[in-house]
Amino acid sequence: AAGVIQSPRHLIKEKRETATLKCYPIPRHDTVYWYQQGPGQDPQFLISFYEKMQSDKGSIPDRFSAQQFSDYHSELNMSSLELGDSALYFCASIQHSTGELFFGEGSRLTVL
Amino acid sequence: EDQVTQSPEALRLQEGESSSLNCSYTVSGLRGLFWYRQDPGKGPEFLFTLYSAGEEKEKERLKATLTKKESFLHITAPKPEDSATYLCAVHGYYGGATNKLIFGTGTLLAVQP
Repeated sequence: AAGVIQSPRHLIKEKRETATLKCYPIPRHDTVYWYQQGPGQDPQFLISFYEKMQSDKGSIPDRFSAQQFSDYHSELNMSSLELGDSALYFCASIQHSTGELFFGEGSRLTVL
Repeated sequence: EDQVTQSPEALRLQEGESSSLNCSYTVSGLRGLFWYRQDPGKGPEFLFTLYSAGEEKEKERLKATLTKKESFLHITAPKPEDSATYLCAVHGYYGGATNKLIFGTGTLLAVQP
């Protein structure tokens, strides 16, 4: 069965650089979530999209932005990267009516 | 404020030694409670969704139960391959299209042969 696809899987950036993470949800899933997970931490909700519109916002820094496109894939854009942005970034998708959330394998961002 | 608390933080079992993990929650209106398994450096893997008190679900050596205040993940005769972090998350009613999950900090399970 198709799963949530994230790219890149690993990314290394310098401080103050920008990074873009991509997420391709499970087909026919209409909602996408972004989570950030630091070492030894539980996933922290960043932002979500439902039918290409932002539906909820969590602890996402102003330096970050995200959008969902017409094909339902989503991109998380991070600018002015800081050392503390180093984390695993997970995308998850959900079929709105069932409420079951499936995660991708994550993108590991390392800021040097 | 909605909150999820998992205990214990870490658990070490011998192979075959059954035990339970706890997830206590407070939420304004429970839409669903989820259990996930997470291996190091990987995304959480969906295990179960429970929707109402009294509901139970089983999968191989795992069984999840739900009350109005907490959920248990029972592990029967665990094997070393069951070693992972087990995450609990709740999905509440927030109005509109909001669907965010609130995660607990997880229980790190180590099963020794």
